Amino acid sequence: KNQVEQSPQSLIILEGKNCTLQCNYTVSPFSNLRWYKQDTGRGPVSLTIMTFSENTKSNGRYTATLDADTKQSSLHITASQLSDSASYICVVSLKNYGGSQGNLIFGKGTKLSVKP
Amino acid sequence: DSGVTQTPKHLITATGQRVTLRCSPRSGDLSVYWYQQSLDQGLQFLIQYYNGEERAKGNILERFSAQQFPDLHSELNLSSLELGDSALYFCASSGQGAVTEAFFGQGTRLTVV
Repeated sequence: KNQVEQSPQSLIILEGKNCTLQCNYTVSPFSNLRWYKQDTGRGPVSLTIMTFSENTKSNGRYTATLDADTKQSSLHITASQLSDSASYICVVSLKNYGGSQGNLIFGKGTKLSVKP
Repeated sequence: DSGVTQTPKHLITATGQRVTLRCSPRSGDLSVYWYQQSLDQGLQFLIQYYNGEERAKGNILERFSAQQFPDLHSELNLSSLELGDSALYFCASSGQGAVTEAFFGQGTRLTVV
């Protein structure tokens, strides 16, 4: 069964601190892994996309890593800001041999709260 | 603004009723996905359309159906509504290619009373 598991479920940190969120997946056939940020009641917004051959990708203060051998990914947030408070969702895309993007399998997300 | 438009933003209806949610994808995007997000839950994949044809199906109930029209907009029909169908329904669209960005709309919040 295709699954994406994230930890921790929730996290509280102080403004300015760093944090790392984890994602483990069992998805086949694998195409790519994405991290999304979702504010409460809003649609998810993409942070990074990584294919099998990429093991790190940065987007500003967000850095994602991917270990395709162990099927693990992490999202590191540097110098957190109050606006980083949101859910961070790990998403794995299935390979679609029809040429279009395959189905997206969502984790349940890590709810991050950044306190002043 | 993601470029994906969902209407309506909010919908309140009674049990047993039928509603239609609409999604206009980003210009040029051929794929449309529908997701359901219940309170404090992750997004659950319902169905994907690609250029008018059903491409993949997730945990979509038989009471739910969807279609993608020639102009690429999509509609999700929910019938015989139950209290448990109350959720946020998101639409996403993506372009051609296996590794393309998926852009999400702002969702339709459905409340069944």
